[in-house]
Amino acid sequence: EVQLVESGGDLVQPGGSLRLSCAASGFTFSSYWMSWVRQAPGGGLEWVANIKQDGSEKYYVDSVKGRFTISRDNAKNSLYLQMNSLRAEDTAVYYCARGYRPGDYWGQGTLVTVSS
Amino acid sequence: DVVMTQSPLSLPVTLGQPASISCKSSQSLVHSDGNTYLSWFQQRPGQSPRRLIYKVSNRDSGVPDRFSGSGSGADFTLKISRVEADDIGVYYCMQGTHWPPTFGGGTKVEIK
Repeated sequence: EVQLVESGGDLVQPGGSLRLSCAASGFTFSSYWMSWVRQAPGGGLEWVANIKQDGSEKYYVDSVKGRFTISRDNAKNSLYLQMNSLRAEDTAVYYCARGYRPGDYWGQGTLVTVSS
Repeated sequence: DVVMTQSPLSLPVTLGQPASISCKSSQSLVHSDGNTYLSWFQQRPGQSPRRLIYKVSNRDSGVPDRFSGSGSGADFTLKISRVEADDIGVYYCMQGTHWPPTFGGGTKVEIK
């Protein structure tokens, strides 16, 4: 059974940093692009970033470029999102999802709250 | 970025009756590879999104056949042939043809 389990969400002050993790199981992690998608409270979905199977290509939505870094460790079947210089507007539930285009499997999400 | 516009915002439905959600994109979603990367997602209350349909009309594994997707170019529709109580939630369309992927604003399906 495919499982994606996010962790690392927390309350952080504006300007702070946070690292999210996504543990994958039930499929060959190293064979898939992976994505991060976020959802602001009561809001819609926004694609954030994705990363190629070997980590050689990474893409970001404009609003997080230069502040967020996506990475992966195929030996640990894990996806990461390093978030720096956090802003109030980054407050959201962050989901990891399988695929170049967020696709068939999503995790349950982890909540990031940016507030003083 | 490609803008995805869904309608209606809210859809009160009667159990056992059909329902239809529209999704229009600001430009054609036909990719240079010939595919049209338009997906539909269901988000039940308190749950993460679940993909129902990919590439316009292909149902994901385990999705009941009462869900169907159709459309072409920049105009797409998700239909539920007979709404069940389990279908309440918010439905989103998403395009993956143009970078970055973008989602519609969502349609909330609720029971009358």
